[in-house]
Amino acid sequence: ETGVTQSPTHLIKTRGQQVTLRCSSQSGHNTVSWYQQALGQGPQFIFQYYREEENGRGNFPPRFSGLQFPNYSSELNVNALELDDSALYLCASSFEVRNTEAFFGQGTRLTVV
Amino acid sequence: KNEVEQSPQNLTAQEGEFITINCSYSVGISALHWLQQHPGGGIVSLFMLSSGKKKHGRLIATINIQEKHSSLHITASHPRDSAVYICAVTLSGTGNQFYFGTGTSLTVIP
Repeated sequence: ETGVTQSPTHLIKTRGQQVTLRCSSQSGHNTVSWYQQALGQGPQFIFQYYREEENGRGNFPPRFSGLQFPNYSSELNVNALELDDSALYLCASSFEVRNTEAFFGQGTRLTVV
Repeated sequence: KNEVEQSPQNLTAQEGEFITINCSYSVGISALHWLQQHPGGGIVSLFMLSSGKKKHGRLIATINIQEKHSSLHITASHPRDSAVYICAVTLSGTGNQFYFGTGTSLTVIP
């Protein structure tokens, strides 16, 4: 039990649709990162939020966007879904932005058909 | 080329065996993490290392900063150790953004 909760656990969407994935972090975790894990691959960094501001972004197009809220929850939004967006999406939160242990959620399995 | 390389990709062991998983990286890091991922997806942090060696129960993790290499050892392996073990690094000068290896899938047979 990491104290980080993601919802929903599974989701099926149609190509072209939009999706919002949610992450609820432990109280006091001011940093949250989102990762995409395709089947059989290691997770890839999407972006990070620190104190509600974007603090770094991986090699993902602008249709991947995010928000972080004062209550330690966050969202990942993906517009114009493509079949290749099918993956496990993980959030990870930590107390600080550097050199601290990260706590991962269980992930949201997104399938785009 | 991935900044983080792990070996082996797959590993099958008999219960009780000593297991070693290796990780090499090619960039300057602030820390190296060993993570465990069970089927279904959830990831659990096992160790965070910036130097030396750490031990937790039957798990031991070491890092050699000069050689840019880390190892995860499991002593007296047990079927419940079956999982994917992932090495990840956080880069110098960046936030807590993980760059992952592709993982080692471990199966321990009773």
